[in-house]
Amino acid sequence: DGGITQSPKYLFRKEGQNVTLSCEQNLNHDAMYWYRQDPGQGLRLIYYSQIVNDFQKGDIAEGYSVSREKKESFPLTVTSAQKNPTAFYLCASTQGESDYNSPLHFGNGTRLTVT
Amino acid sequence: AQKITQTQPGMFVQEKEAVTLDCTYDTSDPSYGLFWYKQPSSGEMIFLIYQGSYDQQNATEGRYSLNFQKARKSANLVISASQLGDSAMYFCAIDLWGSKLTFGKGITLSVRP
Repeated sequence: DGGITQSPKYLFRKEGQNVTLSCEQNLNHDAMYWYRQDPGQGLRLIYYSQIVNDFQKGDIAEGYSVSREKKESFPLTVTSAQKNPTAFYLCASTQGESDYNSPLHFGNGTRLTVT
Repeated sequence: AQKITQTQPGMFVQEKEAVTLDCTYDTSDPSYGLFWYKQPSSGEMIFLIYQGSYDQQNATEGRYSLNFQKARKSANLVISASQLGDSAMYFCAIDLWGSKLTFGKGITLSVRP
């Protein structure tokens, strides 16, 4: 079955360390997204990529970095510059340019805890 | 400016009854899409239903329907015949031209047996 795989499900890191969250999709989707979710909040867009080797900042990109070397993969690095990195991170994809009736498909998320 | 507003506190519904989850939005753009997603406690986001701003009829998808009132800028989700598995967070989101999907803060629904 096609889908989006995020790993690991839970991730623990010490403050000051960079950490990379994995996101792989086999849906052959062009566009991929990273969202952050905090308790009591909706999803906030970190970065998105509409094509290989290209990506744009979302609303809260500071302290994060991404790469899109392959269509299937869109890893997110949470750097030590991110002041409050503990959160639930969701990866999503959709076919082509965001079309009004093209819903996002989501992975199961990675819960990152930094102490 | 907040584009999507979901202000209901936690909602409760008896199993097999219907429930309405409210969503209002703010845009002057005539072209947009509205989405509802379900997030169970396991964390994944599940797409439920879509409504386009030019759609003449309210969207329906199985037990889910959307009460779309364009003049009032509201897109309420109606779940009929609630099931225990419907207990989850529900998010409304809007897709505007030239922008990316913007989510509301969500509503918690609990279905009582």
